[in-house]
Amino acid sequence: DTGVSQDPRHKITKRGQNVTFRCDPISEHNRLYWYRQTLGQGPEFLTYFQNEAQLEKSRLLSDRFSAERPKGSFSTLEIQRTEQGDSAMYLCASSSTGRENTIYFGEGSWLTVV
Amino acid sequence: QQQVKQSPQSLIVQKGGISIINCAYENTAFDYFPWYQQFPGKGPALLIAIRPDVSEKKEGRFTISFNKSAKQFSLHIMDSQPGDSATYFCAASTIYNQGGKLIFGQGTELSVKP
Repeated sequence: DTGVSQDPRHKITKRGQNVTFRCDPISEHNRLYWYRQTLGQGPEFLTYFQNEAQLEKSRLLSDRFSAERPKGSFSTLEIQRTEQGDSAMYLCASSSTGRENTIYFGEGSWLTVV
Repeated sequence: QQQVKQSPQSLIVQKGGISIINCAYENTAFDYFPWYQQFPGKGPALLIAIRPDVSEKKEGRFTISFNKSAKQFSLHIMDSQPGDSATYFCAASTIYNQGGKLIFGQGTELSVKP
């Protein structure tokens, strides 16, 4: 068990470019979450998957954002036509279902849009 | 109704002192209340969590106090140490609904002075 892994850890991109982040959850976890965190704020929920099904999307997830978890294992978060307001840390987390569903976070992927 | 309000925004405590951080929630459906610790550049890490069927939970120097009627819960850090200097987030979720997604407070930046 190596924990939740995110890649890349840092990304600088020009406004208008597309970026993609990858998340590898803890292997036995069937739930996977994406959060966004800006400086001085708590993480904000974006979306979550149970296995390969995307079960909830926040209104924060505009049409430029898309997340996938094709085989119920790793997940990708793509941001199209990036804007400066997209600059944030994108956190991935995972958990198992059931009573003890502790949510474990990865180290995050920092995005800077210039 | 989904909000979790956290105070204070920042806290300075002398080494050996008690750090107290408070949170309040509105949604009575919440049934899981974790506290996360986050160091700069890192993802949040679970510190301690409580469910509403108990009023207090202690793990080492960390204690959660929970007041269901007031819809408030707090984190107490006893014998605070410089290594405790970090940002602390309270959170809440409904374990069996909405995928257990966490709603976070705004965070408290704790500084423990030697």
